[in-house]
Amino acid sequence: DVVLTQTPVSLSVTLGDQASISCRSSQSLEYSDGYTYLEWYLQKPGQSPQLLIYEVSNRFSGVPDRFIGSGSGTDFTLKISRVEPEDLGVYYCFQATHDPHTFGAGTKLELK
Amino acid sequence: EVQLVESGGGLVQPGRSMKLSCAASGFTFSNYGMAWVRQAPTKGLEWVATISYDGSSTYYRDSVKGRFTISRDNAKSTLYLQMNSLRSEDTATYYCTREGGYWGQGVMVTVSS
Repeated sequence: DVVLTQTPVSLSVTLGDQASISCRSSQSLEYSDGYTYLEWYLQKPGQSPQLLIYEVSNRFSGVPDRFIGSGSGTDFTLKISRVEPEDLGVYYCFQATHDPHTFGAGTKLELK
Repeated sequence: EVQLVESGGGLVQPGRSMKLSCAASGFTFSNYGMAWVRQAPTKGLEWVATISYDGSSTYYRDSVKGRFTISRDNAKSTLYLQMNSLRSEDTATYYCTREGGYWGQGVMVTVSS
């Protein structure tokens, strides 16, 4: 199975700071069709996860442009510029390139 | 508006069965692959199973293969998860998800005697 390693496990920030989360895969996530099915989700307390980024760098509908996804192959990053209160929660990377699909263990973004 | 509404959860004894349903609306259900994802209390997300748009292909995580069956009724716009031989480690909130990042609100399944 593909293992997604997220770092850091938790991240303490001040509002307005930039935050960066890494997701490293045990195998390349580029599919045979040329696409890379790496997604980022945010789960706020008591809520279902919400999609932020799909195919590495595409923002889902309504997601602010302060969320930026990047990377290729096995190394991926989610950057949040100017963290706002509504950005707090647990971030997960997810791959749908290989079966079984897998999630990273999560990164908790909290206030300092 | 895309809506996914799960039902069928609750308390069940180990070794027994339970069937979850997910009623979909706001989109053409038969055009999209669907999946179940679960989250044990205080834990991370875990993909469980996926089914193709027409039901012809299904995929499962190893720990549920042979015990869980994902299926769909495109005429009823409904996704199912039949769970047999349930174990305590299957205790979780189960989410119905649609290709493209849409999730339901989740349904809790507790396996306990």
